[in-house]
Amino acid sequence: GENVEQHPSTLSVQEGDSAVIKCTYSDSASNYFPWYKQELGKGPQLIIDIRSNVGEKKDQRIAVTLNKTAKHFSLHITETQPEDSAVYFCAAFFGNEKLTFGTGTRLTIIP
Amino acid sequence: EAGVTQFPSHSVIEKGQTVTLRCDPISGHDNLYWYRRVMGKEIKFLLHFVKESKQDESGMPNNRFLAERTGGTYSTLKVQPAELEDSGVYFCASSRLGGALYEQYFGPGTRLTVT
Repeated sequence: GENVEQHPSTLSVQEGDSAVIKCTYSDSASNYFPWYKQELGKGPQLIIDIRSNVGEKKDQRIAVTLNKTAKHFSLHITETQPEDSAVYFCAAFFGNEKLTFGTGTRLTIIP
Repeated sequence: EAGVTQFPSHSVIEKGQTVTLRCDPISGHDNLYWYRRVMGKEIKFLLHFVKESKQDESGMPNNRFLAERTGGTYSTLKVQPAELEDSGVYFCASSRLGGALYEQYFGPGTRLTVT
């Protein structure tokens, strides 16, 4: 079945440094890759997404890259701030009307 | 616009008891999804409603789980009888019909603990 692997499971970075979270997916037919941020006590919120027809997308301090050949995509957060601390989930849309999620990365920004 | 709401936020029950979780989607969203996250694992799809109809329930673990969406508005997810492995956070999400299926808005979740 569809599978999304996410690494690392935990990540600590100094405030101001960059953070990178990586995911791989199994189904080459996947065409949409969203990233969700879950803060304490809240549900996952979409922060950025990328479709299979582009290789990179950027939104201020957040960027996502996609390598379709290797079937992996990554989230890059630059100039990290304390409010970036959260659990981040990658996901892939396999065209069967449901999202398959990774296992999550707990990002901690150290002041 | 009010977001997706879920009730209760927490539930602690004993093995063998019954629990019913409720989700109120964003008004006008015909697509409604249930997901579950077991401690430290991925968020797993349970099922998808389009209005009051079950479009896909392939993720439902077993017949102890029953989801309903009478009238196509709010949805309930009943677990009966609950087992220890049912513990986790249950998320509900909704999206517009005809919109991008993947633009799903999530509720805050219900944390279920079965003891």
